Amino acid sequence: DADVTQTPRNRITKTGKRIMLECSQTKGHDRMYWYRQDPGLGLRLIYYSFDVKDINKGEISDGYSVSRQAQAKFSLSLESAIPNQTALYFCATSGRANIQYFGAGTRLSVL
Amino acid sequence: QKEVEQNSGPLSVPEGAIASLNCTYSDRGSQSFFWYRQYSGKSPELIMSIYSNGDKEDGRFTAQLNKASQYVSLLIRDSQPSDSATYLCAVRANDYKLSFGAGTTVTVRA
Repeated sequence: DADVTQTPRNRITKTGKRIMLECSQTKGHDRMYWYRQDPGLGLRLIYYSFDVKDINKGEISDGYSVSRQAQAKFSLSLESAIPNQTALYFCATSGRANIQYFGAGTRLSVL
Repeated sequence: QKEVEQNSGPLSVPEGAIASLNCTYSDRGSQSFFWYRQYSGKSPELIMSIYSNGDKEDGRFTAQLNKASQYVSLLIRDSQPSDSATYLCAVRANDYKLSFGAGTTVTVRA
């Protein structure tokens, strides 16, 4: 089983819909992250959390929200999806060495 | 100015040659440096980390760091077709977040 699991792997939704992307990990790491990846732009940080009570905005948090339900679970929500949120989304975790381990990704299309 | 910049590529090298990838960063306080490899449609995977000036070798991969010049590079020796991927440079500053470059796509020609 993967150490960092993202669900769903693919999602097609319509403009204005609320959707949630989920991430769970079995690595025992405190730190969790959500990124989006667009062609030519690399990975951009949306939100990050260093423990269950800690949530921080990244460089592109507008239009997104997160919930850290437990040490092992970190969810990303799009309250009202728009087409420019079409992207590949990655969850990652890290321990104290800050080496980040990524999930397999969620490919999201907003029509 | 972007925090982390990589040579744009794509980089095409013949099998067996050396592929050289470059990365510069803007935050002089950056402390940790990473190279990730990402195959098309897959997630990034760590291939090298480097924390102090100089060279670090791991198999066919060598990472080089020069903090004074704010420069980190990755050399892939004896390039193989399986090395064809996008390579992401990542830099950690004091706040423990990683900043990623846009990536350099490498194609190894058989």
